[in-house]
Amino acid sequence: GQQLNQSPQSMFIQEGEDVSMNCTSSSIFNTWLWYKQDPGEGPVLLIALYKAGELTSNGRLTAQFGITRKDSFLNISASIPSDVGIYFCAGPGYGNKLVFGAGTILRVKS
Amino acid sequence: NAGVTQTPKFRILKIGQSMTLQCTQDMNHNYMYWYRQDPGMGLKLIYYSVGAGITDKGEVPNGYNVSRSTTEDFPLRLELAAPSQTSVYFCASSKSPPGGSLSTNTQYFGPGTRLTVL
Repeated sequence: GQQLNQSPQSMFIQEGEDVSMNCTSSSIFNTWLWYKQDPGEGPVLLIALYKAGELTSNGRLTAQFGITRKDSFLNISASIPSDVGIYFCAGPGYGNKLVFGAGTILRVKS
Repeated sequence: NAGVTQTPKFRILKIGQSMTLQCTQDMNHNYMYWYRQDPGMGLKLIYYSVGAGITDKGEVPNGYNVSRSTTEDFPLRLELAAPSQTSVYFCASSKSPPGGSLSTNTQYFGPGTRLTVL
């Protein structure tokens, strides 16, 4: 089946540092989504990408839809303690289904 | 506008017991989903529904059942709980299906139910 591979699996960074994470697939996706899950909560959509090469920002977050349509990147600039959580990439799979990556766990040292 | 609500928040079951996880949305969404989240495994789709009276299996449906008698409610039933069903369960809803360049396909998630089967 379709799979999304996220890396890194986890990150422990200093407050103020920039963060980069990515998501790759063996098959083409026509939409890339980035969700964030706060501890004890459900995932919330951060950014949606709909076109190859698209670069979209949401505050300190910037995501890019890879030109091959098989990858996507999420960057967080000047991290703060509330950035802690799990970041998931997702894309539409076969049928009415969304495929999720395993997530990148972000921890921030203040 | 509460969005997606789930009950209970936590539950401990004994092996072989049954229970229903409740999910309600007040956004008049046609599409509803049940996922389970295991550590390091992301979210796996259990069942989904494209409207009242219509349900279909996701990636990991074994051991679960669903029904959709109304637009708002999408309960998930475990008939014979097993330790492998220990997980966090999330319900989600969207106006339209995944894919395409529509903001209406955004899935909104509930806060989750943490289930332990001992």
